Amino acid sequence: DGGITQSPKYLFRKEGQNVTLSCEQNLNHDAMYWYRQDPGQGLRLIYYSQIVNDFQKGDIAEGYSVSREKKESFPLTVTSAQKNPTAFYLCASSIGPGVNYGYTFGSGTRLTVV
Amino acid sequence: SQQGEEDPQALSIQEGENATMNCSYKTSINNLQWYRQNSGRGLVHLILIRSNEREKHSGRLRVTLDTSKKSSSLLITASRAADTASYFCATDGGGGNTPLVFGKGTRLSVIA
Repeated sequence: DGGITQSPKYLFRKEGQNVTLSCEQNLNHDAMYWYRQDPGQGLRLIYYSQIVNDFQKGDIAEGYSVSREKKESFPLTVTSAQKNPTAFYLCASSIGPGVNYGYTFGSGTRLTVV
Repeated sequence: SQQGEEDPQALSIQEGENATMNCSYKTSINNLQWYRQNSGRGLVHLILIRSNEREKHSGRLRVTLDTSKKSSSLLITASRAADTASYFCATDGGGGNTPLVFGKGTRLSVIA
């Protein structure tokens, strides 16, 4: 079955630590996205990639980094510079860049600072 | 940047009733999409309506778009307990390749 896999489902980070959230898709989609969701809030865009080896900052990129070395993979690193990282992180993909396609989402990673 | 705003924030109805959720946006769009999110899960794409379309149906879902009022509505007919979820509208900013911008969602509770 095609889809997006996010791992881990739950992640705990100590103060000052960097952590990496995994996102893998086997849909052969060109574009991938990372969103952050806080309780009762909508989704805010962190980073997106429209093609391999290229990515752009979203609205809240500070304290985060990404890479897109393979079409299937778009990992997100939450660095120690992100002061309030506790949130639900969602990865998505679409056939191509732009807004003429629906997004397929993973099941999310819940990150908690301990 | 918040583009779409859903209304109401929360809605509680009895099973079998219809549920209507609204979305207003600020700038011109190429299309508007609706998604559903069950608690603690990822979003699921429901329907996409293009700016030159006025109404679209998918099963028990009916979406309308009024570009003159910059608004859209999602109607779920004959609701079921399994429809309990948050519903989000998502729009572009009129640009061709910009990612979707999501609203804060409407939390729908369908009581059996």
